[in-house]
Amino acid sequence: DIVMTQSPDSLAVSLGERATISCKSSQSVLFSSNSKNYLAWYQQKPGQPPKLLIYWASTRESGVPDRFSGSGSGTDFTLTVSSLQAEDVAVYYCQQYFNTPFTFGPGTKVDIK
Amino acid sequence: QVQLQQWGTRLLKPSDTLSLTCAVSGGSFSDYCWTWIRQPPGKGLEWIGQIIQSGSTNYNPSLKSRVTISVDTSKNQFSLKLSSVTAADTAVYYCAGGRHYFGPADYWGQGTLVTVSS
Repeated sequence: DIVMTQSPDSLAVSLGERATISCKSSQSVLFSSNSKNYLAWYQQKPGQPPKLLIYWASTRESGVPDRFSGSGSGTDFTLTVSSLQAEDVAVYYCQQYFNTPFTFGPGTKVDIK
Repeated sequence: QVQLQQWGTRLLKPSDTLSLTCAVSGGSFSDYCWTWIRQPPGKGLEWIGQIIQSGSTNYNPSLKSRVTISVDTSKNQFSLKLSSVTAADTAVYYCAGGRHYFGPADYWGQGTLVTVSS
């Protein structure tokens, strides 16, 4: 299985400041045939199912605010919230869908400082 | 907009079989890949497996011996069965759908908390 790790486990950011989450995979999730990274980011608020934010490592899902962005390739990826809003308080997960079983990172909890 | 509505038995005893169903509306059932994901209370997400309209499946090897995912295209529904449950199977179970066989989960059900307790 591809093991996904995330850092930090949690972070607190002031409103309007930048939040950055790192995700690493134990093997590359870049498919050379189409040059796509098989990596997604989800946001989960308490009592709700996860919500897809980013796929193919950097493509924003329809309706997701442009303050959310994804970057990286191969084994190292980053989710950035450029200007944290109160409604962004949540746990964020990365997921690889390069190989089955599709595996998730352990999550990063984001709070307001 | 694709919507998923799920239901099933919420309280089980050890060795029982978990059974959940997810109904899909608002989209073409055959265009998507259908997935089950679970989340133990206070913990992270675990991918259980997926199915497409043809019935082709992929399962998590850690659960493969106990899992069956099936599809009923006439009802636009798919189902999960997990046999010989233990307390470790206590979790919120989510059904989800994605536009690609190797792709993320674009749409999610509301989740069902299944508790295994003697």
